[in-house]
Amino acid sequence: GDSVTQMEGPVTLSEEAFLTINCTYTATGYPSLFWYVQYPGEGLQLLLKATKADDKGSNKGFEATYRKETTSFHLEKGSVQVSDSAVYFCALSDNGQGGSEKLVFGKGMKLTVNP
Amino acid sequence: ETGVTQTPRHLVMGMTNKKSLKCEQHLGHNAMYWYKQSAKKPLELMFVYNFKEQTENNSVPSRFSPECPNSSHLFLHLHTLQPEDSALYLCASSPRLAYYNEQFFGPGTRLTVL
Repeated sequence: GDSVTQMEGPVTLSEEAFLTINCTYTATGYPSLFWYVQYPGEGLQLLLKATKADDKGSNKGFEATYRKETTSFHLEKGSVQVSDSAVYFCALSDNGQGGSEKLVFGKGMKLTVNP
Repeated sequence: ETGVTQTPRHLVMGMTNKKSLKCEQHLGHNAMYWYKQSAKKPLELMFVYNFKEQTENNSVPSRFSPECPNSSHLFLHLHTLQPEDSALYLCASSPRLAYYNEQFFGPGTRLTVL
Protein backbone atom coordinates (compact mmCIF):
# COMPACT_ATOMS: atom_id res chain seq x y z
CA GLY A 1 0.00 0.00 0.00
CA ASP A 2 0.87 3.67 -0.14
CA SER A 3 3.17 5.07 2.52
CA VAL A 4 5.10 8.19 3.49
CA THR A 5 8.39 8.21 5.37
CA GLN A 6 9.66 11.45 6.82
CA MET A 7 12.19 12.66 9.35
CA GLU A 8 10.57 12.53 12.77
CA GLY A 9 12.73 14.77 14.90
CA PRO A 10 12.23 16.63 17.11
CA VAL A 11 14.56 19.21 15.61
CA THR A 12 15.72 22.44 17.22
CA LEU A 13 17.25 25.21 15.12
CA SER A 14 18.39 28.75 15.69
CA GLU A 15 16.63 31.59 13.92
CA GLU A 16 17.86 32.14 10.34
CA ALA A 17 19.17 28.57 10.06
CA PHE A 18 18.54 26.49 6.93
CA LEU A 19 15.86 23.82 7.19
CA THR A 20 15.47 20.56 5.30
CA ILE A 21 12.87 17.94 6.17
CA ASN A 22 13.22 14.79 4.13
CA CYS A 23 10.18 12.97 2.81
CA THR A 24 10.01 9.89 0.59
CA TYR A 25 6.97 7.97 -0.53
CA THR A 26 5.72 4.78 -2.10
CA ALA A 27 2.58 4.80 -4.20
CA THR A 28 0.81 2.50 -6.64
CA GLY A 29 -0.25 5.29 -8.97
CA TYR A 30 0.67 8.90 -9.66
CA PRO A 31 0.11 10.71 -6.38
CA SER A 32 -0.31 14.32 -5.44
CA LEU A 33 2.07 15.38 -2.68
CA PHE A 34 1.45 17.77 0.20
CA TRP A 35 3.13 19.37 3.14
CA TYR A 36 0.85 20.28 6.04
CA VAL A 37 1.82 22.27 9.12
CA GLN A 38 0.26 22.14 12.59
CA TYR A 39 0.89 25.07 14.89
CA PRO A 40 0.46 24.53 18.64
CA GLY A 41 -3.18 24.10 19.63
CA GLU A 42 -4.44 24.14 16.05
CA GLY A 43 -5.48 21.77 13.31
CA LEU A 44 -3.44 21.05 10.19
CA GLN A 45 -3.05 23.68 7.48
CA LEU A 46 -1.87 23.09 3.94
CA LEU A 47 1.59 24.59 3.50
CA LEU A 48 2.19 23.64 -0.13
CA LYS A 49 1.44 20.96 -2.68
CA ALA A 50 2.56 19.54 -6.03
CA THR A 51 0.49 17.40 -8.36
CA LYS A 52 2.98 16.23 -11.01
CA ALA A 53 6.63 15.43 -11.45
CA ASP A 54 9.06 18.37 -11.30
CA ASP A 55 6.38 20.69 -9.92
CA LYS A 56 7.66 22.97 -7.20
CA GLY A 57 5.28 23.99 -4.45
CA SER A 58 6.12 27.12 -2.48
CA ASN A 59 4.58 29.18 0.29
CA LYS A 60 5.81 31.42 3.13
CA GLY A 61 9.44 30.87 2.06
CA PHE A 62 9.08 27.08 2.10
CA GLU A 63 9.67 25.04 -1.07
CA ALA A 64 9.42 21.40 -2.10
CA THR A 65 9.94 19.77 -5.50
CA TYR A 66 8.14 16.63 -6.66
CA ARG A 67 10.92 14.22 -7.65
CA LYS A 68 9.45 11.15 -9.29
CA GLU A 69 12.80 9.53 -9.98
CA THR A 70 13.73 9.53 -6.30
CA THR A 71 10.12 9.38 -4.99
CA SER A 72 10.86 12.34 -2.77
CA PHE A 73 9.29 15.64 -1.74
CA HIS A 74 11.77 17.27 0.63
CA LEU A 75 10.76 20.51 2.35
CA GLU A 76 13.27 23.37 2.53
CA LYS A 77 13.45 26.90 3.89
CA GLY A 78 16.49 29.09 3.65
CA SER A 79 16.04 31.04 6.88
CA VAL A 80 13.65 29.85 9.58
CA GLN A 81 11.89 32.12 12.05
CA VAL A 82 10.60 31.54 15.56
CA SER A 83 7.08 31.60 14.11
CA ASP A 84 7.92 28.49 12.04
CA SER A 85 7.93 26.38 15.20
CA ALA A 86 5.32 23.71 14.49
CA VAL A 87 4.84 20.09 13.47
CA TYR A 88 5.31 19.39 9.76
CA PHE A 89 3.57 16.52 7.98
CA CYS A 90 4.34 15.13 4.54
CA ALA A 91 1.36 13.47 2.86
CA LEU A 92 0.23 11.94 -0.41
CA SER A 93 -3.02 11.23 -2.15
CA ASP A 94 -2.95 8.53 -4.79
CA ASN A 95 -4.97 8.21 -7.96
CA GLY A 96 -3.65 4.83 -9.00
CA GLN A 97 -5.14 1.39 -8.92
CA GLY A 98 -5.50 0.52 -5.27
CA GLY A 99 -5.26 4.17 -4.38
CA SER A 100 -8.35 5.46 -2.69
CA GLU A 101 -7.95 9.23 -2.90
CA LYS A 102 -7.26 9.32 0.83
CA LEU A 103 -4.51 11.37 2.36
CA VAL A 104 -1.71 9.18 3.71
CA PHE A 105 0.42 11.02 6.25
CA GLY A 106 3.92 10.66 7.56
CA LYS A 107 4.41 10.66 11.32
CA GLY A 108 5.20 14.38 11.49
CA MET A 109 8.28 16.27 12.58
CA LYS A 110 8.29 18.78 15.41
CA LEU A 111 10.42 21.84 14.72
CA THR A 112 11.41 24.33 17.39
CA VAL A 113 13.16 27.54 16.35
CA ASN A 114 14.97 29.48 19.05
CA PRO A 115 15.71 33.22 18.84
CA GLU B 1 -9.39 30.30 10.30
CA THR B 2 -9.87 27.46 7.81
CA GLY B 3 -13.65 27.54 7.54
CA VAL B 4 -14.01 24.32 9.52
CA THR B 5 -15.18 24.58 13.12
CA GLN B 6 -15.29 21.88 15.78
CA THR B 7 -17.03 21.78 19.12
CA PRO B 8 -16.25 21.23 21.87
CA ARG B 9 -12.55 22.02 21.80
CA HIS B 10 -11.93 19.97 24.92
CA LEU B 11 -13.90 17.07 26.35
CA VAL B 12 -13.38 14.90 29.40
CA MET B 13 -15.61 11.89 29.75
CA GLY B 14 -15.89 8.71 31.74
CA MET B 15 -15.95 5.30 30.11
CA THR B 16 -19.71 4.98 30.62
CA ASN B 17 -20.65 8.38 29.23
CA LYS B 18 -22.18 9.17 25.86
CA LYS B 19 -21.05 12.32 24.12
CA SER B 20 -20.91 13.76 20.61
CA LEU B 21 -18.35 15.76 18.68
CA LYS B 22 -19.57 18.24 16.12
CA CYS B 23 -17.94 19.54 12.97
CA GLU B 24 -19.25 22.22 10.64
CA GLN B 25 -17.73 23.53 7.43
CA HIS B 26 -18.61 26.81 5.76
CA LEU B 27 -16.78 26.16 2.52
CA GLY B 28 -19.43 24.51 0.39
CA HIS B 29 -17.47 21.27 0.32
CA ASN B 30 -18.98 17.86 -0.34
CA ALA B 31 -16.50 15.50 1.33
CA MET B 32 -15.87 15.33 5.07
CA TYR B 33 -13.49 13.28 7.17
CA TRP B 34 -12.78 12.25 10.76
CA TYR B 35 -9.17 11.66 11.84
CA LYS B 36 -7.63 10.53 15.12
CA GLN B 37 -4.31 12.04 16.14
CA SER B 38 -2.49 10.24 18.94
CA ALA B 39 0.93 11.03 20.32
CA LYS B 40 3.79 9.55 18.31
CA LYS B 41 1.49 7.90 15.75
CA PRO B 42 0.58 8.98 12.22
CA LEU B 43 -2.81 10.56 11.70
CA GLU B 44 -5.37 7.82 11.40
CA LEU B 45 -8.24 8.26 8.99
CA MET B 46 -11.44 7.03 10.64
CA PHE B 47 -14.36 7.86 8.36
CA VAL B 48 -15.02 9.49 5.01
CA TYR B 49 -18.30 10.95 3.78
CA ASN B 50 -18.96 12.07 0.23
CA PHE B 51 -22.23 13.88 -0.48
CA LYS B 52 -23.53 12.66 2.91
CA GLU B 53 -22.80 9.01 2.11
CA GLN B 54 -20.19 7.11 4.07
CA THR B 55 -17.52 5.84 1.71
CA GLU B 56 -14.87 4.73 4.15
CA ASN B 57 -14.82 3.12 7.58
CA ASN B 58 -11.24 2.38 8.41
CA SER B 59 -11.94 -0.53 10.76
CA VAL B 60 -13.06 1.80 13.51
CA PRO B 61 -14.58 0.20 16.64
CA SER B 62 -18.35 0.48 16.91
CA ARG B 63 -18.09 2.65 20.01
CA PHE B 64 -17.44 5.44 17.50
CA SER B 65 -20.53 6.21 15.43
CA PRO B 66 -20.43 8.90 12.73
CA GLU B 67 -23.37 10.83 11.38
CA CYS B 68 -23.54 13.18 8.41
CA PRO B 69 -26.98 14.79 8.12
CA ASN B 70 -25.88 17.12 5.32
CA SER B 71 -22.73 18.12 3.49
CA SER B 72 -21.95 20.90 5.99
CA HIS B 73 -22.21 18.94 9.24
CA LEU B 74 -20.48 15.89 10.61
CA PHE B 75 -20.87 14.31 14.02
CA LEU B 76 -18.98 11.65 15.90
CA HIS B 77 -21.05 9.94 18.58
CA LEU B 78 -19.05 8.36 21.38
CA HIS B 79 -20.10 5.71 23.89
CA THR B 80 -18.36 3.35 26.28
CA LEU B 81 -14.94 4.59 25.25
CA GLN B 82 -11.63 3.30 26.57
CA PRO B 83 -8.72 5.32 27.98
CA GLU B 84 -6.70 4.53 24.84
CA ASP B 85 -9.28 6.49 22.85
CA SER B 86 -7.92 9.69 24.40
CA ALA B 87 -6.58 11.72 21.49
CA LEU B 88 -7.10 14.78 19.33
CA TYR B 89 -9.98 14.21 16.92
CA LEU B 90 -9.74 16.23 13.76
CA CYS B 91 -12.41 16.94 11.22
CA ALA B 92 -11.58 17.93 7.65
CA SER B 93 -13.39 18.74 4.43
CA SER B 94 -12.56 18.96 0.74
CA PRO B 95 -14.48 20.10 -2.35
CA ARG B 96 -15.00 16.47 -3.35
CA LEU B 97 -13.15 13.18 -3.25
CA ALA B 98 -10.23 13.74 -5.61
CA TYR B 99 -6.59 12.89 -5.17
CA TYR B 100 -5.39 16.40 -6.05
CA ASN B 101 -7.66 18.18 -3.58
CA GLU B 102 -6.29 19.58 -0.37
CA GLN B 103 -8.22 18.99 2.81
CA PHE B 104 -9.16 21.80 5.18
CA PHE B 105 -8.87 20.89 8.85
CA GLY B 106 -10.67 22.10 11.92
CA PRO B 107 -8.81 22.84 15.17
CA GLY B 108 -9.74 19.51 16.69
CA THR B 109 -11.39 18.26 19.85
CA ARG B 110 -9.01 17.15 22.59
CA LEU B 111 -10.70 14.12 24.15
CA THR B 112 -9.68 12.63 27.49
CA VAL B 113 -11.30 9.38 28.61
CA LEU B 114 -10.99 8.67 32.31
